[in-house]
Amino acid sequence: EAQVTQNPRYLITVTGKKLTVTCSQNMNHEYMSWYRQDPGLGLRQIYYSMNVEVTDKGDVPEGYKVSRKEKRNFPLILESPSPNQTSLYFCASSKTGGFYEQYFGPGTRLTVT
Amino acid sequence: ELKVEQNPLFLSMQEGKNYTIYCNYSTTSDRLYWYRQDPGKSLESLFVLLSNGAVKQEGRLMASLDTKARLSTLHITAAVHDLSATYFCAVDLTQGGSEKLVFGKGTKLTVNP
Repeated sequence: EAQVTQNPRYLITVTGKKLTVTCSQNMNHEYMSWYRQDPGLGLRQIYYSMNVEVTDKGDVPEGYKVSRKEKRNFPLILESPSPNQTSLYFCASSKTGGFYEQYFGPGTRLTVT
Repeated sequence: ELKVEQNPLFLSMQEGKNYTIYCNYSTTSDRLYWYRQDPGKSLESLFVLLSNGAVKQEGRLMASLDTKARLSTLHITAAVHDLSATYFCAVDLTQGGSEKLVFGKGTKLTVNP
């Protein structure tokens, strides 16, 4: 079954404690992205990757890091989480250039206290 | 800076009625996407509109794109309860080899019996 998986699905952590949210897709897609969703602000793109070792910033990259060492995986790293990073995070992948027919993961709800 | 505005943000309609959701954007782009999000769920790709005058239809939903007016519409025909969801448009902005996806804030649609 074609899918994008994220782990963990829920996470409560404290300010400053480094964390990684994993994202994996089994469709051999080249493009992968991370978004955050906040009430009243909608969805905003954090980072995206066009292929292995190729990444670029989205609209709100501050406080986040990504890496793309393998085609299937695109982890999101918060080196020193802060409360304003409390959000719902979605990973997505798409086959071709751009954002055509993105497949979204189930989401990770992160709370930073 | 690319801005994407959706109207209305909230829409309550009766089953069987027709309505249109509007998506305006501020910068030239030829690629626009529509997504659906059910409550508590992830996003699902609905339509990809790639050129001026593009029209896509699936079931009771029809999307169109007017790049000159920087406007996309999502038309709902004879609404049914199953269409209740939040609908997002998103615009693909390419600048200097960098691509970004900017979302509207979403339209929460409630279809009442």
